[in-house]
Amino acid sequence: EVQLVESGGGLVQPGGSLRLSCAASGFTFSNFWMSWVRQAPGKGLEWVANIKYDGSEEYYGDAVKGRFTISRDNAQNSLHLQMNSLRAEDTAVYYCARERPASACAFDSWGQGTLVTVSS
Amino acid sequence: DIQMTQSPSSLSASIGDRVIITCQASQDIGKYLNWYQHKPGKVPNLLIYDASNLQTGVPSRFSGSGSGTHFTFTINSLQAEDIGTYYCQRYGTFGPGTTVEIK
Repeated sequence: EVQLVESGGGLVQPGGSLRLSCAASGFTFSNFWMSWVRQAPGKGLEWVANIKYDGSEEYYGDAVKGRFTISRDNAQNSLHLQMNSLRAEDTAVYYCARERPASACAFDSWGQGTLVTVSS
Repeated sequence: DIQMTQSPSSLSASIGDRVIITCQASQDIGKYLNWYQHKPGKVPNLLIYDASNLQTGVPSRFSGSGSGTHFTFTINSLQAEDIGTYYCQRYGTFGPGTTVEIK
């Protein structure tokens, strides 16, 4: 069974940093592109970033470009999101999601999410 | 950047009704369009990928069609458990969502 478990969320002050992690199991992690998707309170889904199966390519949404960094450790089956210069508008539930192979970024498995609150 | 719009933004329908949601892309995206269901307090769930392919385990009352700039998502015979918000998505862009309620 595919499992994605996020951790690392919490309360952080504006301008601060946080590192999210996602532990993957139940599938060959190194074969899949992975993404972070977020949902701010009362808002819709927003794609944040993704990373190629071997870590050689990364892409970011405009809202986080230059502030967030996605990375992965295939030996540890883990995905990470380093978030710097956090703003109030980054407050959201952050989901780790697996991309379905041979499809255009279709997210076929999701973690339960971790809440990030940016507030003073 | 490609923009995705959805209509309606919300709808209320009776059990057994056919529900249709449309998604419009600002430019031709071929068949690269996915649909998700997001129930309150739950994790988003992929229903349709590549415009018309039913994800494994998804009930057959859900279907999708379209290509280019215009796409349609259909729930045949709405069930009580289908309430939630439905999103179309193409690569890094989600539509704004359509909230489905039971009348």
